[in-house]
Amino acid sequence: SAVISQKPSRDICQRGTSLTIQCQVDSQVTMMFWYRQQPGQSLTLIATANQGSEATYESGFVIDKFPISRPNLTFSTLTVSNMSPEDSSIYLCSVLPQATDTQYFGPGTRLTVL
Amino acid sequence: KQEVTQIPAALSVPEGENLVLNCSFTDSAIYNLQWFRQDPGKGLTSLLLIQSSQREQTSGRLNASLDKSSGRSTLYIAASQPGDSATYLCAVRPNYGQNFVFGPGTRLSVLP
Repeated sequence: SAVISQKPSRDICQRGTSLTIQCQVDSQVTMMFWYRQQPGQSLTLIATANQGSEATYESGFVIDKFPISRPNLTFSTLTVSNMSPEDSSIYLCSVLPQATDTQYFGPGTRLTVL
Repeated sequence: KQEVTQIPAALSVPEGENLVLNCSFTDSAIYNLQWFRQDPGKGLTSLLLIQSSQREQTSGRLNASLDKSSGRSTLYIAASQPGDSATYLCAVRPNYGQNFVFGPGTRLSVLP
C-alpha cells in the first residue's frame, strides 16, 4: 500500500495568484498522477508525473497553467498558476506502486479562488 | 474510447438494507476495475480491485463482481450502516500502464 499526504489541505486564494500543492508518499513510486475534481463532478486527470521524465499532460491542460515538478520518487508538486474562480476544485495526488495494480489517492487539496 | 457510467446517481436507504451499486463500461477489453469511496471534500479510499481475469472480490460487507462480456460491475453492500454514506466511484483501467477512466459516482445516504 501507499500512504499519501498533501499540503495544504485547503486554501482560499485571490484571482491572478498561484498556489503550489505538495504531495508526499511514504514509499518510492514511479507512477504519480494529478487529478482535478470540480464541484459535483467526477475526477479528471491533469497529468502523469513519472520520475525521470517530463510530465505528460492530458488534453485541455497545459504546462504553463499547471507546472509539475517530480524531483524524486516520493515527492511531487503541482502549481495552479494565474488562478481564476474556474480553478476552484479539489486537487488530488495519486500513485500506482510497482508490483501492485491498486491505485492510491491522497486526501486532496480543496482550492477556492475568489 | 472507454466510457463509464454509474446508476443510480444517488440512493437513499434505511439502515440495515442490502444494496447494489451499478457500473457500466463501453469497452469490454479492460485490464482491471477498482471501486473507491469518497467522503465529502475528501480524497478517495480504495475499496476493491478486480482484475480482468476475476469474477468477484470480497472485503467484509462489500462484494464486487465483474462481467466483462456485458461491460458491467456491481458493488454489493450488505447490512448498510450510516457510516457507509459517501460517494462510490467506479474506475476502469483499459490497459496496463494506462490511466483510469472514472465513472460519475453514486451518492449513497444511509439513514439511521
